[in-house]
Amino acid sequence: QKEVEQDPGPLSVPEGAIVSLNCTYSNSAFQYFMWYRQYSRKGPELLMYTYSSGNKEDGRFTAQVDKSSKYISLFIRDSQPSDSATYLCAMIRIIQGAQKLVFGQGTRLTINP
Amino acid sequence: ETGVTQTPRHLVMGMTNKKSLKCEQHLGHNAMYWYKQSAKKPLELMFVYNFKEQTENNSVPSRFSPECPNSSHLFLHLHTLQPEDSALYLCASSQDRGLAGGPGETQYFGPGTRLLVL
Repeated sequence: QKEVEQDPGPLSVPEGAIVSLNCTYSNSAFQYFMWYRQYSRKGPELLMYTYSSGNKEDGRFTAQVDKSSKYISLFIRDSQPSDSATYLCAMIRIIQGAQKLVFGQGTRLTINP
Repeated sequence: ETGVTQTPRHLVMGMTNKKSLKCEQHLGHNAMYWYKQSAKKPLELMFVYNFKEQTENNSVPSRFSPECPNSSHLFLHLHTLQPEDSALYLCASSQDRGLAGGPGETQYFGPGTRLLVL
């Protein structure tokens, strides 16, 4: 079983729609949760970072963490064509005294004008 | 130049060639990383350097050889690669590889080198 599961998609929605991207994880030791966005032919860039269960909002983006269900989500409101990218969830746990960052497979998202 | 840069952006090599990938970070960070990104697979961490010392090697074959001469530069030397090594190789940096968690671990990625092994 993979430590972090993420549906690779592809996911295609019309402009203006609300997008929901999700990841599940199996190890309750994960403490920090992140979402990265990766445009074609670019490296991933950090989009949002959360620690505790609950919601964190940044403009059109909301990151949600449910530690009891081992489930994280990223919501994009009023989606724009410029949001078309691959979204990777990532999470950190401590192993042997050091941080270990584990990525999901990434979900490819297309917003159609 | 700002952020994390990588050269070359694209590389085609034969299985008997020797080549090197270069990464440079302009963020004043102390930790640097090599990742491999293959289609339909999660990012795979290959090597970690913290304050120029290698701290992680995730069972990477010896045909990949990293080098970190200082905190700003990271190389990945390649020799006798296999076609299955074709992938996007990403470099990243972070403030440190600290234990406290939080922003210290936030990694900033370069654009990657697209490698094709024939």
